[in-house]
Amino acid sequence: DADVTQTPRNRITKTGKRIMLECSQTKGHDRMYWYRQDPGLGLRLIYYSFDVKDINKGEISDGYSVSRQAQAKFSLSLESAIPNQTALYFCATSDFGSYEQYFGPGTRLTVT
Amino acid sequence: AQTVTQSQPEMSVQEAETVTLSCTYDTSENNYYLFWYKQPPSRQMILVIRQEAYKQQNATENRFSVNFQKAAKSFSLKISDSQLGDTAMYFCAFQNRDDKIIFGKGTRLHILP
Repeated sequence: DADVTQTPRNRITKTGKRIMLECSQTKGHDRMYWYRQDPGLGLRLIYYSFDVKDINKGEISDGYSVSRQAQAKFSLSLESAIPNQTALYFCATSDFGSYEQYFGPGTRLTVT
Repeated sequence: AQTVTQSQPEMSVQEAETVTLSCTYDTSENNYYLFWYKQPPSRQMILVIRQEAYKQQNATENRFSVNFQKAAKSFSLKISDSQLGDTAMYFCAFQNRDDKIIFGKGTRLHILP
């Protein structure tokens, strides 16, 4: 089984809808991250969490919110989806001091 | 603020040849990590190689090696004996003590048969 899983893997939604992307990990890592990938822009950090009670904004947090329900779960929400949020979204985890992040398989989100 | 620049949006090389992907970065920190990630068409992000800034020796992983020039803030990736399976997007990335990673915009590499 994969160490970092994301659901759904693909999603098409309409403008204005609320949508949640979920990430779960079995690596026992404290640190979790949400990234967005757009063609030609690489990956950009949306939010990150260093433990259950710690949530931090990344480079592009506007229009997004997150919830760290447990050490193993970190969800990303789009309260009112808009077309320019169409992108590939990655969850990642890391262990304190390891300086290596482990990525989930990605969720392709399309907002029409 | 740290930045990572990959100046080659796309490259193509023949199978079995050697190819070098360029990366430069900007930081005022002295201790940090540098990475190369590979993203094949499956879109999975795969760590190829990493380099600790305090280590002078260039990292090597089988056919993959880096040329780390700390003073020049340069971190290039060399792929020797390139294979068709090396076709992918390659991202250079910088990580500081805050544990946040900053990615370059990527280089799309095509290995031609």
